[in-house]
Amino acid sequence: GAGVSQSPSNKVTEKGKDVELRCDPISGHTALYWYRQSLGQGLEFLIYFQGNSAPDKSGLPSDRFSAERTGGSVSTLTIQRTQQEDSAVYLCASSLQGISTDTQYFGPGTRLTVL
Amino acid sequence: SQKIEQNSEALNIQEGKTATLTCNYTNYSPAYLQWYRQDPGRGPVFLLLIRENEKEKRKERLKVTFDTTLKQSLFHITASQPADSATYLCALDASNDYKLSFGAGTTVTVRA
Repeated sequence: GAGVSQSPSNKVTEKGKDVELRCDPISGHTALYWYRQSLGQGLEFLIYFQGNSAPDKSGLPSDRFSAERTGGSVSTLTIQRTQQEDSAVYLCASSLQGISTDTQYFGPGTRLTVL
Repeated sequence: SQKIEQNSEALNIQEGKTATLTCNYTNYSPAYLQWYRQDPGRGPVFLLLIRENEKEKRKERLKVTFDTTLKQSLFHITASQPADSATYLCALDASNDYKLSFGAGTTVTVRA
C-alpha cells in the first residue's frame, strides 16, 4: 500500500492479558516510530527504529512494553500483562531516513481498551 | 522541565475568517518546528516545517511564523472552510536528530 498501515484498528482486552500491535511502514522507509496518544494528551514517544535496530527505547513506560522490527519493515509492539492505564491510541509512523527534517508519515492507529 | 503548550481552548470560528493557533515552548532549542493536522480516528498528517532561521512559511491558505526569541510559533488558517475543522498539532525537534516532541493540539471547528 501507499501509506502506513496498522492492525488491528481496535483491540479490547482484559487486564493482565498480553497484546500485540502491528505496523507496516511505507516501503523503503528506514525509520519507524511508535507513539502513544491518550485522550486530550499530546503524542508520547515510545520507541524509534533505524532499520531493525532500536537505538532509542527511552519512551517505553515499563518493562511490560517491548517492540521489534524485522526485515527493516514490519514492527510489532507488545504489551504484556496489560493494565487499564495502557488504554490509549497507539500510533506508528515511518520516515525515509530518520533525520531531523524528515516528514513522519503516520498510520491510523490502534485503539487499545483494557477492561 | 521541557514543555510545549498549545491553545488550551478549542477554537470555533466562522467560515471565511482567519484562525490563529499558538504553540509555546520552554526549555527547548529547536532547529525547526512542524505542524500536523489530525482528523478524528486518523493519524496526524504533516502540513508544514519551518526552520529556526525562517521567520515565516506559507502553503496555500496556511501561514506559520517562528519566533525563537519568544519561543513561539503561530499557525494561521486564512479564509477558513468547514473542511479545515480538525485538531492541529505542533511538534519540535527535541534533540536535533530524529525525535519530535508534540503538543496536545488545538481543535478547530469552522462553522458554515
